[in-house]
Amino acid sequence: EAGVTQSPTHLIKTRGQQVTLRCSPISGHTSVYWYQQALGLGLQFLLWYDEGEERNRGNFPPRFSGRQFPNYSSELNVNALELEDSALYLCASSPDRNGNTIYFGEGSWLTVV
Amino acid sequence: QKEVEQDPGPLSVPEGAIVSLNCTYSNSAFQYFMWYRQYSRKGPELLMYTYSSGNKEDGRFTAQVDKSSKYISLFIRDSQPSDSATYLCAMSPFSGGYNKLIFGAGTRLAVHP
Repeated sequence: EAGVTQSPTHLIKTRGQQVTLRCSPISGHTSVYWYQQALGLGLQFLLWYDEGEERNRGNFPPRFSGRQFPNYSSELNVNALELEDSALYLCASSPDRNGNTIYFGEGSWLTVV
Repeated sequence: QKEVEQDPGPLSVPEGAIVSLNCTYSNSAFQYFMWYRQYSRKGPELLMYTYSSGNKEDGRFTAQVDKSSKYISLFIRDSQPSDSATYLCAMSPFSGGYNKLIFGAGTRLAVHP
């Protein structure tokens, strides 16, 4: 069974640009979570999608947004990139919103220069 | 003060040693406690999941929760070089609350032969 897959693996963007990161959850999983892991800061919750709806968002500005498609895959969009957006962006999925385990992908490394 | 405090290490031990990893927290509402292992440039994987206070054992790993002291621990017995990774504690006030998970910053562990 394929795990959570994310793309791209690595990317470099210039300050002010926009980026889209993609995530495919494990087959059958309906909930997708996005986390940011910046150096030395640990994982910070960004967004939660379930059944196509945004259910909750963390303490991030509106330029962080996303969506979930009917096939439960998800995109994370970051507009007006800032240097401090450089981080590992992790997607995770769970079978439902009440699950006791979530499964992370390998992440997308974003460097903003 | 952060909600979850975790010593970043690095912690370096010889193969076969017993490793103790710890986190303290300030929010008494936390009920669910998790430990994740993250290898370099990989996504976190769930190691242990415990509810409320007490111990839970799984092979060489033992998780302990002391809610009265707001302190959780992960013990690794007979440590192996393959255990070298960053260990993240995480906690939530309720089951399935992955949008509310608070992660520690992670402790880097190196087990040398």
